[in-house]
Amino acid sequence: AQSVSQHNHHVILSEAASLELGCNYSYGGTVNLFWYVQYPGQHLQLLLKYFSGDPLVKGIKGFEAEFIKSKFSFNLRKPSVQWSDTAEYFCAVIPYSSASKIIFGSGTRLSIRP
Amino acid sequence: DAGVIQSPRHEVTEMGQEVTLRCKPISGHDYLFWYRQTMMRGLELLIYFNNNVPIDDSGMPEDRFSAKMPNASFSTLKIQPSEPRDSAVYFCASSLIGPQGSYEQYFGPGTRLTVT
Repeated sequence: AQSVSQHNHHVILSEAASLELGCNYSYGGTVNLFWYVQYPGQHLQLLLKYFSGDPLVKGIKGFEAEFIKSKFSFNLRKPSVQWSDTAEYFCAVIPYSSASKIIFGSGTRLSIRP
Repeated sequence: DAGVIQSPRHEVTEMGQEVTLRCKPISGHDYLFWYRQTMMRGLELLIYFNNNVPIDDSGMPEDRFSAKMPNASFSTLKIQPSEPRDSAVYFCASSLIGPQGSYEQYFGPGTRLTVT
């Protein structure tokens, strides 16, 4: 079955540290890839997306992600985190064959120490 | 555009009562999704529609749950009878499909349901 794995369940960093959150998916065909963020008590918001083209994608708030097709990965990065980045981060995949059914990872909770 | 609109934002009800959650998708979007989020189970897809037709309801937990989309601008999720384990945040989302497959989903603010 198609799945999305986020290996880090909870990451704790200090302000100004660099961030990398892992995301791997299991699907051999063409996919659309997304990262969503959910701030405490709020709904999911799109951080960035990849459909095609340059595998390095830049999103909002200084986030970026790199699609590595050979590794089935779409890791999220930020060079210097802020306390306001405290949130839960979800990786998501839509396989072209899925009739729009998006598959979410289980999420990574990011806590930033001020 | 106002985004995806959900009502009510909070609902507190007693076990056994009927609960109806409402969603208005973004105008022009042809997909609508209902999700449930809890601490224990995370984010779960319950059902989704394409052009008002249910495509996949395999995530609906049991017969107490039903969803309808009578037109392109309105959907309901009904729980009858409600139980305490239904307490969760219910999100509605909508999206478009385009030449590169499906586009991102836009989420509503959610309805926080508490069943006592």
